[in-house]
Amino acid sequence: DIQMTQSPSSLSASVGDRVTITCRASQPISSYLNWYQQKPGTPPKLLIYAASSLQSGVPSRFSGSGSGADFTLTISSLQPEDFATYYCQQSYTNPYTFGQGTKLEIK
Amino acid sequence: EVQLVQSGAEVKKPGESLKISCKGSGYSFTNYWIGWVRQMPGKGLEWMGTIYPGDSDTRYSPSFQGQVTISADKSISTAYLQWSSLKASDTAMYYCARHESLVGAPDYWGQGTLVTLSS
Repeated sequence: DIQMTQSPSSLSASVGDRVTITCRASQPISSYLNWYQQKPGTPPKLLIYAASSLQSGVPSRFSGSGSGADFTLTISSLQPEDFATYYCQQSYTNPYTFGQGTKLEIK
Repeated sequence: EVQLVQSGAEVKKPGESLKISCKGSGYSFTNYWIGWVRQMPGKGLEWMGTIYPGDSDTRYSPSFQGQVTISADKSISTAYLQWSSLKASDTAMYYCARHESLVGAPDYWGQGTLVTLSS
């Protein structure tokens, strides 16, 4: 299986901050990397697909970059509704493994 | 409107069997894969496997192969996840999600089905 490693595992930030979360794959996965946001008691919500494409309806403050094995999710200016857990996922090959998650908390 | 509606919460005993469902609507059910994802209490997301309802092509994660069965009935736009003998460690939230291709991102998710094992 391809291992996905996110960093940091948790992060405290303030409204208005710029935040970056990184995701590293254990082998190259081209651009088959997706990012999700999950709030307690709700299913994951797709934010970014194919490393850098913004899912319809997702605010433009979210952006993704990277290819190969190293990827980043950036939130340009944190809003109160952005405090949640974020997961990366590779869709390059079965099983489509997820990172362990990054919990974004209010400072 | 695309929707994936999952069956309700279940409370079962170890050793019992279970089949949970995921009904798609608002799109062509046979043209999208349906994947299943496990989330154990307080933990992260784990990919279990996926099925293409158009021809029932099924791909399992090696970690779940032999532990669960994924199936679909395209006539009623419903996918299923089933266990023949539940274990206490199967306690989790289970989500279904559609994806357009094997490399496509799951874009719509069901609301989740909570399975609780209690002796």
